[in-house]
Amino acid sequence: GAGVSQSPRYKVAKRGQDVALRCDPISGHVSLFWYQQALGQGPEFLTYFQNEAQLDKSGLPSDRFFAERPEGSVSTLKIQRTQQEDSAVYLCASSQARTGAQGLAKNIQYFGAGTRLSVL
Amino acid sequence: GDSVTQMEGPVTLSEEAFLTINCTYTATGYPSLFWYVQYPGEGLQLLLKATKADDKGSNKGFEATYRKETTSFHLEKGSVQVSDSAVYFCALSGDFGNEKLTFGTGTRLTIIP
Repeated sequence: GAGVSQSPRYKVAKRGQDVALRCDPISGHVSLFWYQQALGQGPEFLTYFQNEAQLDKSGLPSDRFFAERPEGSVSTLKIQRTQQEDSAVYLCASSQARTGAQGLAKNIQYFGAGTRLSVL
Repeated sequence: GDSVTQMEGPVTLSEEAFLTINCTYTATGYPSLFWYVQYPGEGLQLLLKATKADDKGSNKGFEATYRKETTSFHLEKGSVQVSDSAVYFCALSGDFGNEKLTFGTGTRLTIIP
């Protein structure tokens, strides 16, 4: 596709339910990032993949959050036993080249429209 | 750790007014700096960027200059339009090997005709 696609756009979950959020990056993009955006705040980093390798998960708020990208393309962010404080917009971004590659210019991250998660 | 402090909103201006949205940052090394814009109902879009000190990013009439001495990256536009109404985010990314983005809290801009 032309851009980063996220699904579903909206998700309502009862507290304690598990949810799975999907991200389809731009074709051929090596790097994939997940961010969490609380209401009225800026996005906050959750985790980063380079191809299928999860190189940084320092932003995941608890062990209830899990992300994967098994074939180096589509990624899924899973939240187990959802809590009200998990309510937020979850953003996915992809960029063309891997980070840390010497000589490459800084890579632009392209964002999806996000998934708005509401936990009741 | 890295952080971005952004002028709080909301900001309301009349069409053709001059716009400044302040942004300062704290980071180690030599970060890259960005302005992203979020139009109603849409995802974040890159507006402009600067990768080293004294660089000026520009796009759609918006400009921002990377000032290392004042650790600032203020967004300016000489004459705003109604279509510029959106939420603007200042952000930085670290050196190679650490390109995750750190965002400010966002500034909501409303332009009235």
